[in-house]
Amino acid sequence: ELKVEQNPLFLSMQEGKNYTIYCNYSTTSDRLYWYRQDPGKSLESLFVLLSNGAVKQEGRLMASLDTKARLSTLHITAAVHDLSATYFCAVVFYNNDMRFGAGTRLTVKP
Amino acid sequence: GAGVSQSPSNKVTEKGKDVELRCDPISGHTALYWYRQSLGQGLEFLIYFQGNSAPDKSGLPSDRFSAERTGGSVSTLTIQRTQQEDSAVYLCASSFRADSGNTIYFGEGSWLTVV
Repeated sequence: ELKVEQNPLFLSMQEGKNYTIYCNYSTTSDRLYWYRQDPGKSLESLFVLLSNGAVKQEGRLMASLDTKARLSTLHITAAVHDLSATYFCAVVFYNNDMRFGAGTRLTVKP
Repeated sequence: GAGVSQSPSNKVTEKGKDVELRCDPISGHTALYWYRQSLGQGLEFLIYFQGNSAPDKSGLPSDRFSAERTGGSVSTLTIQRTQQEDSAVYLCASSFRADSGNTIYFGEGSWLTVV
């Protein structure tokens, strides 16, 4: 079964703090995406991770991929209010079927 | 156009009616996906097209749902005899090619309300 699990589902952070969102998946994949979604909006692509050990960074966000552990992380450094949104990971499986995690709703408080 | 275009952006329909949702992918993109997102939920995979290959329909929730992609470009998702549980945002996405690391771009979605 193709499954993608994210945790936590809800995350409330103070500005300036660090935190990590986790994305586990059930079977082999070598492509993983992270998306951001603001309320009432569509999805914005953040990162594409293509290989084991891949690490990408953009501003206060850093994503990594461990294909052996079937795990990706999205690390938030020194959070700011503008990062408040829902973050989704999406995994592409063998038949190009892309499945999404349930999302992590992040709220950054001053 | 510059991005993935979906229409209508909003649709309110009566239970039992049929609806058609349209997706115009980015020019040159061969891969096209349909997803459904219920309020406050994650994305549910519906169907995937790659070029002129037979689509992967494994995510369609019932035989009331069907999708076409004409000429490898525009796609139409049809829901027959709509039910209230069909109310959701229907999101379309496209990419240059599915079996590569190309960015997948999403449209703004079609918000469907069945009353």
